[in-house]
Amino acid sequence: GAGVSQSPSNKVTEKGKDVELRCDPISGHTALYWYRQSLGQGLEFLIYFQGNSAPDKSGLPSDRFSAERTGGSVSTLTIQRTQQEDSAVYLCASSVNQGKPQHFGDGTRLSIL
Amino acid sequence: KQEVTQIPAALSVPEGENLVLNCSFTDSAIYNLQWFRQDPGKGLTSLLLIQSSQREQTSGRLNASLDKSSGRSTLYIAASQPGDSATYLCAVRLNNNDMRFGAGTRLTVKP
Repeated sequence: GAGVSQSPSNKVTEKGKDVELRCDPISGHTALYWYRQSLGQGLEFLIYFQGNSAPDKSGLPSDRFSAERTGGSVSTLTIQRTQQEDSAVYLCASSVNQGKPQHFGDGTRLSIL
Repeated sequence: KQEVTQIPAALSVPEGENLVLNCSFTDSAIYNLQWFRQDPGKGLTSLLLIQSSQREQTSGRLNASLDKSSGRSTLYIAASQPGDSATYLCAVRLNNNDMRFGAGTRLTVKP
């Protein structure tokens, strides 16, 4: 489709495992964003890419979190040594350029047992 | 630190009513403000985006206003319909590209 695609849609894993979440932005969108939505809380900004560069990584909650973007397109968010508090919905968004409306994917629901 | 507050947290109205959702933010140094709709289990759908230099934006039955100096925005929904039932989120974009979201208003429109 023409929208932002995220995979997997659901992920259940054991505490301590590493997970990789994928985001396919809308074709041609240079800006890409990752957010986390924890149960009962608002969205938390994690990281923003302009092209392949991430000017600001300060939103990542710990050094277990990392993200990369290659070819100005697909991005992966990696969480190492997962903890139960990492359980949340991870949302990805893209926009034509920074400052333009963001278009969101349906998210990955991550559950850490 | 920028904080975004949405009032009310939940709202239930009969079909056909006009309604207003409120969003306030503590720091007026914003790049833009965006209203989103989120349906259960889904991502966010952008409704309206207001640049910091603008006062309002309109799309169909929706009208969003921005008063940057007072740190407030409102989303006006005219002639509400059951299909408008969703959670509405406002978000401010800071000048460093960080975004801050409110916790949302859960709207139920009863037939």
